[in-house]
Amino acid sequence: NAGVTQTPKFQVLKTGQSMTLQCAQDMNHNSMYWYRQDPGMGLRLIYYSASEGTTDKGEVPNGYNVSRLNKREFSLRLESAAPSQTSVYFCASSEVVLGYTFGSGTRLTVV
Amino acid sequence: KNQVEQSPQSLIILEGKNCTLQCNYTVSPFSNLRWYKQDTGRGPVSLTIMTFSENTKSNGRYTATLDADTKQSSLHITASQLSDSASYICVVSPYGSGNTGKLIFGQGTTLQVKP
Repeated sequence: NAGVTQTPKFQVLKTGQSMTLQCAQDMNHNSMYWYRQDPGMGLRLIYYSASEGTTDKGEVPNGYNVSRLNKREFSLRLESAAPSQTSVYFCASSEVVLGYTFGSGTRLTVV
Repeated sequence: KNQVEQSPQSLIILEGKNCTLQCNYTVSPFSNLRWYKQDTGRGPVSLTIMTFSENTKSNGRYTATLDADTKQSSLHITASQLSDSASYICVVSPYGSGNTGKLIFGQGTTLQVKP
């Protein structure tokens, strides 16, 4: 099982550029999430999708948009990247409350 | 404010030795507490999950304890191996957070196991 797959693994953007981070899971989970991880801080929730067709803001949604394309895929878009968005981004999925599976992350640098 | 604090921030031990990582939380009420292992460049992987009514949970050489009265948890690693070198993250789910992903993450303890 691949679990949660994120692409790309690394990306460098210039300030103002846009990009989409892709996430796909093959576990038939209903819920999917996007987090960011910054040095010295715990993971912070950006957006979540409790079920196909729904999305909601998390703790730090500003500057991001998401799309739940289907049950498997949940993408994160940066419309105009800023240096403050330099971070490691993790996608996760879960079916029931007890089980979260994380992807390997996308390391994004905005210069 | 819901918070999870971990200590120490970093730790170096010799291979074969035991160690204990600490987690203090202010989240109340909560549904469960989890410990994750995160290898460098990888995503977090679940080690243990405990509900508020559980006191201990083991996963091989990893044993987690929970004291809901003092709001403390610990992760004990027995007979450490080089592969245990990683960041260990304590995560608390507030009661009612359901499938919202609104978990409270600690900042992690970085463990380095030396030969």
